[in-house]
Amino acid sequence: DVKVTQSSRYLVKRTGEKVFLECVQDMDHENMFWYRQDPGLGLRLIYFSYDVKMKEKGDIPEGYSVSREKKERFSLILESASTNQTSMYLCASYSNPLQPQHFGDGTRLSIL
Amino acid sequence: AQSVTQLDSQVPVFEEAPVELRCNYSSSVSVYLFWYVQYPNQGLQLLLKYLSGSTLVESINGFEAEFNKSQTSFHLRKPSVHISDTAEYFCAVSLQAAGNKLTFGGGTRVLVKP
Repeated sequence: DVKVTQSSRYLVKRTGEKVFLECVQDMDHENMFWYRQDPGLGLRLIYFSYDVKMKEKGDIPEGYSVSREKKERFSLILESASTNQTSMYLCASYSNPLQPQHFGDGTRLSIL
Repeated sequence: AQSVTQLDSQVPVFEEAPVELRCNYSSSVSVYLFWYVQYPNQGLQLLLKYLSGSTLVESINGFEAEFNKSQTSFHLRKPSVHISDTAEYFCAVSLQAAGNKLTFGGGTRVLVKP
């Protein structure tokens, strides 16, 4: 069974800090995604990656960057955290377009 | 660009009663359609999907959804809900030409009452 693991379930950081959210998948999927989930807004795509060292902006990339040095790991970086980045962050991966995305359990990030 | 609207943000329902969650989408090209479920403190899990073929799709736990192209809808139904169906449900679409890049609706929170 596919497993997508996010390194932290809960995280509290301060305004201005550089924050790293890590995601690892164990099924050799090429495609990985980072979303943020906010009440009433559903999930919004921040960044995605179709291959190692490849990244593309999603719908709300401002204030974020990503890194994909290895196929199984996709990191989301908040360069200088702000309070409006307090949210639930979800990572997902999939192998081909006709298969569903597999999600991690999420990281609930609070920026104080 | 495509968009997804879930008309109800919350749906309270009694156990063993039927439930319908509404989803409408807008897109000028062909799409794939999905329903995902998120149980408390968990990530999303695929509930069912429409890719092609029969417009009525079913899940293993009694949910079904019907793709209506003329009304651009993909409503989710269950004839008799259980307490364990308490969760948030998300409708999502992806363009057939764009792989599996999903656009999600705002979610519908279902609360099943005994």
